[in-house]
Amino acid sequence: KNEVEQSPQNLTAQEGEFITINCSYSVGISALHWLQQHPGGGIVSLFMLSSGKKKHGRLIATINIQEKHSSLHITASHPRDSAVYICAVTTFGGGADGLTFGKGTHLIIQP
Amino acid sequence: NAGVTQTPKFQVLKTGQSMTLQCAQDMNHEYMSWYRQDPGMGLRLIHYSVGAGITDQGEVPNGYNVSRSTTEDFPLRLLSAAPSQTSVYFCASSQGPFNYGYTFGSGTRLTVV
Repeated sequence: KNEVEQSPQNLTAQEGEFITINCSYSVGISALHWLQQHPGGGIVSLFMLSSGKKKHGRLIATINIQEKHSSLHITASHPRDSAVYICAVTTFGGGADGLTFGKGTHLIIQP
Repeated sequence: NAGVTQTPKFQVLKTGQSMTLQCAQDMNHEYMSWYRQDPGMGLRLIHYSVGAGITDQGEVPNGYNVSRSTTEDFPLRLLSAAPSQTSVYFCASSQGPFNYGYTFGSGTRLTVV
């Protein structure tokens, strides 16, 4: 079973700061997902990537397959970015059981 | 709107009661799955289905039952609710378990007293 570790667990920053959330996994993957969950809310998919880098607005996700590591960056952070960010992976050879999740990073952006 | 619809959003059950959490998707996705989310534990897979008529167990299946009679619907049944099943439940769907994006429902917050 793939082990997915996220860091930091909690992060508080000021509005406008550059934010980095890290994710590492133990076994080679087919894809890595970054998800966002606002307090009391549902889960929204931000990115799916298997190599390189993807960008959407102020969000950037990168992955290094050799190092089994991914980062999610937020530029010019805003209080509305406050949420839990969850890393999840899919692993070939583990059956069709889909996603294995990290425990999430709780991000608070203060005005 | 296309997506995954979960009902109910909130539910309180007494120990021993049974209930069904509904999940429906209108994207013609073959793969559907149920997760529970508990503080400090992250999301854990309960059951999943790769298509109509096919289901399998995930990491934490005990106390839960599923069926998949149509592509659209994937209900989760709690057979005899226990306080340990107090959690937030999410349903998700995807074109397949690998290399496809997942769409999640809005969640069901269940309390068993």
